[in-house]
This record gives sequence, C-alpha cells and structure tokens, in this order.
Amino acid sequence: EVQLLESGGGLVQPGGSLRLSCAASGFTFSSYAMSWVRQAPGKGLEWVSAISGSGGSTYYADSVKGRFTISRDNSKNTLYLQMNSLRAEDTAVYYCANQPIGDYGDPGHFDYWGQGTLVTVSS
Amino acid sequence: DIVMTQSPDSLAVSLGERATINCKSSQSVLYSSNNKNYLAWYQQKPGQPPKLLIYWASTRESGVPDRFSGSGSGTDFTLTISSLQAEDVAVYYCQQYYSTVFTFGPGTKVDIK
Repeated sequence: EVQLLESGGGLVQPGGSLRLSCAASGFTFSSYAMSWVRQAPGKGLEWVSAISGSGGSTYYADSVKGRFTISRDNSKNTLYLQMNSLRAEDTAVYYCANQPIGDYGDPGHFDYWGQGTLVTVSS
Repeated sequence: DIVMTQSPDSLAVSLGERATINCKSSQSVLYSSNNKNYLAWYQQKPGQPPKLLIYWASTRESGVPDRFSGSGSGTDFTLTISSLQAEDVAVYYCQQYYSTVFTFGPGTKVDIK
C-alpha cells in the first residue's frame, strides 16, 4: 500500500523558514518523480515544485522560485521542501504526491497524495 | 504557463442522474509523438486530499467506479459521472502535465439536488 506522510508544518513568522518532509513507502521511491502541491484555506490546488526520480532535475512554480528548494534522499525514501522568506500568501496545506515517469522521462500525473501538513505564515 | 479553466463552477444533480464537467486548456495538451493527452482528473472530498480518477484524459485509475469517464482531446475535455451517487459529492479538478509547470483548473463543486 502506498503511503505518503508529510510533516514539518506549523506557524512561522513572515520572512521565516520551514522545512517540510514527506516519508514514502509502498512503492519504489527512486522510480517516481515527486511533487509538492499546496492548497490555501478554502481555495483550489496549486502545484509548487517537482523533482525527478534521481533528484537531478527540479521544477518550480514562479510563485516560489528562488525561495523554496525541493530535494530528496532516495536512501531514506524521503522528499523535502525547504521554504525560506515565507510570506502570508504561502499559508496553505502542503501535500506531497508521487508521479510516474512519462513516456519521455518527464513527470506525469499525480498518482497518490499524502494527507498534507498545514503551514501558517503569520505574525 | 498553460491556463486551465473549468465549467460550471458548481452544479447540483439528482441522485442517479448524469453530471458533466468541462475543462479547457489554453493550449493543446495532446503530444503528437505518442498521441496522448496529458490531462488528469481528481476528486477531492471535504477534509481529504485529492484522489486521482482519470489520466491520459480517458484512462480510469484502478478501483475508480466505471460511472466516472473522461473524454476529449487537444484543448477540450469532459468528466462525466453517469449516475450520481451520494458519495460523489466533492470538488473535481482537471490538471495538465503536458508542461512541467503543472497547472490545475479552479475546480467544480458537485452537490446533490
């Protein structure tokens, strides 16, 4: 059974930093791309960042580029999101999701999702 | 970035009736080399994470009831629930993965009439 368990969320002041983790099990972690997707309270889904199975390629939404860094440790089956210079508009539930690799090596659809971790940016 | 739009914003359908949700992309998500549409549909119930329903525009995920079906190609897509059940009350999102700047539609809320 695929399981994705996010952790690391909490309350942080504007300008602060937070590191999210996503522990994966039930699938061959290194064979899948991984993404972070967020959902602000009462709002829709917004993709944040993705990383290839090897970790060699990373992708970011313009809204977080230069502030957030995605990484993974395939020996620990864990995905990370380092969030710096946090803003009020980053307040959201952050989900991790796995993505099968597409026909040409790019990440595909979002297969399984974790339960999410809430990040609140407020003074 | 590819912009995804959905219509309607919400709809209410009687139990057992058909529900139809439309999704449009600002550019084609059909990859000519493999003739696949890079379009997925998700269901999100209150307090839960999204769940994959359909990928490649029309391939139903394992375990998804066959009353859910996806159709369309290029820029115009449809999710159909052939006979609405009470457990189908949720918000439905389309999403493109043609570009590695992944984008979602704004969502369509489905309720019981």
